[in-house]
Amino acid sequence: DTAVSQTPKYLVTQMGNDKSIKCEQNLGHDTMYWYKQDSKKFLKIMFSYNNKELIINETVPNRFSPKSPDKAHLNLHINSLELGDSAVYFCASSQDYLAYNEQFFGPGTRLTVL
Amino acid sequence: KNEVEQSPQNLTAQEGEFITINCSYSVGISALHWLQQHPGGGIVSLFMLSSGKKKHGRLIATINIQEKHSSLHITASHPRDSAVYICAVPQETSGSRLTFGEGTQLTVNP
Repeated sequence: DTAVSQTPKYLVTQMGNDKSIKCEQNLGHDTMYWYKQDSKKFLKIMFSYNNKELIINETVPNRFSPKSPDKAHLNLHINSLELGDSAVYFCASSQDYLAYNEQFFGPGTRLTVL
Repeated sequence: KNEVEQSPQNLTAQEGEFITINCSYSVGISALHWLQQHPGGGIVSLFMLSSGKKKHGRLIATINIQEKHSSLHITASHPRDSAVYICAVPQETSGSRLTFGEGTQLTVNP
């Protein structure tokens, strides 16, 4: 069983469209994250939820809206997609939000905006 | 200046060589993560350490909190070790918020 899963793995779409990426973890963790990896392979935190509550919200355009229906799921909805949104998006989870916890990553979703 | 700096950015080695990747950080932290990103894109956590040294197989990670420096060593390197190695440090104000280094691309040739 995959610990942290994301769907879809690849997403190709036109500018201006709205799309969602789903993430699920079966590790029983309380904290989940969304990261963006740009073309230079640099990872940056976007959002984090702890037990369904938003705890980290970086300077991300408000076209990006995370939603956590329960602590095992954290979805990312993106409105009015732009070319600059093309990247790989990784979901991750950890036991809780403390610094000492290992983070487990999903396989990534490669988003291409045309 | 980045808060987390890795060196070298790229490293090519011959199979069997001893590899060292360095990570220096400018923020105060209580722990540091080393991650590995496979050529296929997947990311796995290798180590989380807050002091001293940890060893897992041929991988060894050390940290000096006072000097704000960590190293990742690979002994008897193998082509399957070819990957990007990333260090990440948590922010003091938000432990789970990681700041990442730019990564070190390691290529081990047979």
